[in-house]
Amino acid sequence: GQNIDQPTEMTATEGAIVQINCTYQTSGFNGLFWYQQHAGEAPTFLSYNVLDGLEEKGRFSSFLSRSKGYSYLLLKELQMKDSASYLCAAMDSNYQLIWGAGTKLIIKP
Amino acid sequence: SQTIHQWPATLVQPVGSPLSLECTVEGTSNPNLYWYRQAAGRGLQLLFYSVGIGQISSEVPQNLSASRPQDRQFILSSKKLLLSDSGFYLCAWSVELGGANVLTFGAGSRLTVL
Repeated sequence: GQNIDQPTEMTATEGAIVQINCTYQTSGFNGLFWYQQHAGEAPTFLSYNVLDGLEEKGRFSSFLSRSKGYSYLLLKELQMKDSASYLCAAMDSNYQLIWGAGTKLIIKP
Repeated sequence: SQTIHQWPATLVQPVGSPLSLECTVEGTSNPNLYWYRQAAGRGLQLLFYSVGIGQISSEVPQNLSASRPQDRQFILSSKKLLLSDSGFYLCAWSVELGGANVLTFGAGSRLTVL
């Protein structure tokens, strides 16, 4: 079956760095997405990886290893507004998105 | 610019009552449209998607239905709600960005069935 695993919750300190991991098992693979979702709001797109390696976008970076079925989202210089859930989603061979349950990130001052 | 509107934002309905959630998109034509449900502690579940007027694909058998009467309008309905229909419903449209189909979501509709 198809599956996405990511930690349920993580806690980090303002100004620090945090890495949110995601492992996936899909029938075929057409890319890995990360979305941010603040409580009670809709998800917003953060990043897309389809090739191995690191994609950097400001304070946020996303990494993909296709051979390991693994991705991570790296958040640097954490700010209180980064408190949110981070959703990992993999696209299978039919271009359908398989979603993880999300990682709730709590930022402490 | 493209925007997506979804309403109502919240609603509380009794079991057995009907449901209608509406979604409209502005600033684009012939978009791919989606209805998702998000339950606590679970990943987003795709309910329906549409590639054009009158074209609806259902991903999960259930007592919900969808319609697309106009190019930029997508409606989620039910004739009789169940308790299990409670959840956060999200409408989305997709746009190709750097080789990926990126979803843009509406603000969501939180449904509580009592």
